[in-house]
Amino acid sequence: AQSVAQPEDQVNVAEGNPLTVKCTYSVSGNPYLFWYVQYPNRGLQFLLKYITGDNLVKGSYGFEAEFNKSQTSFHLKKPSALVSDSALYFCAVRDGGLTGGGNKLTFGTGTQLKVEL
Amino acid sequence: ETGVTQTPRHLVMGMTNKKSLKCEQHLGHNAMYWYKQSAKKPLELMFVYNFKEQTENNSVPSRFSPECPNSSHLFLHLHTLQPEDSALYLCASSQVNQNTEAFFGQGTRLTVV
Repeated sequence: AQSVAQPEDQVNVAEGNPLTVKCTYSVSGNPYLFWYVQYPNRGLQFLLKYITGDNLVKGSYGFEAEFNKSQTSFHLKKPSALVSDSALYFCAVRDGGLTGGGNKLTFGTGTQLKVEL
Repeated sequence: ETGVTQTPRHLVMGMTNKKSLKCEQHLGHNAMYWYKQSAKKPLELMFVYNFKEQTENNSVPSRFSPECPNSSHLFLHLHTLQPEDSALYLCASSQVNQNTEAFFGQGTRLTVV
């Protein structure tokens, strides 16, 4: 079974400071990893993904994430946070080892990011 | 705008009512999904349709009945719901290929009274 853990319910950071939102995963095959952001009363918006290749993935709005196979982690990062980055962030995983309709996406519980002036 | 449209955006229904949620995608995708989002819980995958065929029913109660008439449309028929079914219901679509991201609609906020 595949699973995702986001250990922090909330992350607080001052504007201009770097931010990190943590994610660890568990799959039986190769992981396909995704980050999404959700603003209030909206659906989820795709930020970035890791499929294969370079462990550092760059995405929308200046976000990036680093895939670490040995630690089974895929932490979301941004060098300089903005107040407008305040939102709910979800990490998700697909098991690349599954065959026959294995496009099930499993999400974590989400981390609320609050960026303050 | 992600190309996935859900209607209605808000719905209040009694426990004896029958209603339907609608989802439409114009992205040329061949997989569609229903998710339930409740406070303090992970997103729960409810149903998956690949090429209009249901491939996943994640132990969802029969009071939720999905329908996928074609690859662009997905419905969720609701009847005799319970107050604990109140949640944000999200529709998503993607290509069946595992390494593609899913695109989500804005959701239907359902309240069961």
